[in-house]
Amino acid sequence: DADVTQTPRNRITKTGKRIMLECSQTKGHDRMYWYRQDPGLGLRLIYYSFDVKDINKGEISDGYSVSRQAQAKFSLSLESAIPNQTALYFCATSDKIGRETQYFGPGTRLLVL
Amino acid sequence: SQKIEQNSEALNIQEGKTATLTCNYTNYSPAYLQWYRQDPGRGPVFLLLIRENEKEKRKERLKVTFDTTLKQSLFHITASQPADSATYLCALPMNTGFQKLVFGTGTRLLVSP
Repeated sequence: DADVTQTPRNRITKTGKRIMLECSQTKGHDRMYWYRQDPGLGLRLIYYSFDVKDINKGEISDGYSVSRQAQAKFSLSLESAIPNQTALYFCATSDKIGRETQYFGPGTRLLVL
Repeated sequence: SQKIEQNSEALNIQEGKTATLTCNYTNYSPAYLQWYRQDPGRGPVFLLLIRENEKEKRKERLKVTFDTTLKQSLFHITASQPADSATYLCALPMNTGFQKLVFGTGTRLLVSP
């Protein structure tokens, strides 16, 4: 089984709809991240969480919110989806300081019409 | 502002040759640099990490160099194979640290038989 899973893998929604992307991990890591990837822009950090009670905005958090339900679960919500949020979304995890590798999920491809 | 540059043009090489990818950065003093591989529609996968006090690191057919004076890392794949075809991303920690990574946009490598 994959260590980092994301659901759904693909999603089509309409402008104005609220949607949630979910991420679960079995690696036992405290740190979790949400990125979006757009052609030519690379991966950009949306939100990150260093433990259940610590959630922080990344470089492009506007229009997004997150929830860290447990150490293993980190959800990303689009409160009112807009077309320029069409992108590939990745969840990632990492261990404590000293082990800086990030482990990525398979991604969610989101299309906002 | 912090900036990472990777060649946006695809690198085409013949099987068996050495592929060399470049990552340049400005306005950073990173304690380490990472390289990831990303296949189409999939999440990045960690390959190598090199620290600022290391000049070179190897793993099987992969070699990474890190020149903090030139602010550049080179990523080499020797005896390249068609299966090495993918996009390769470099990543550095943000100046604010805490394991927040900034990713380059990646270079696509195509290895032809």
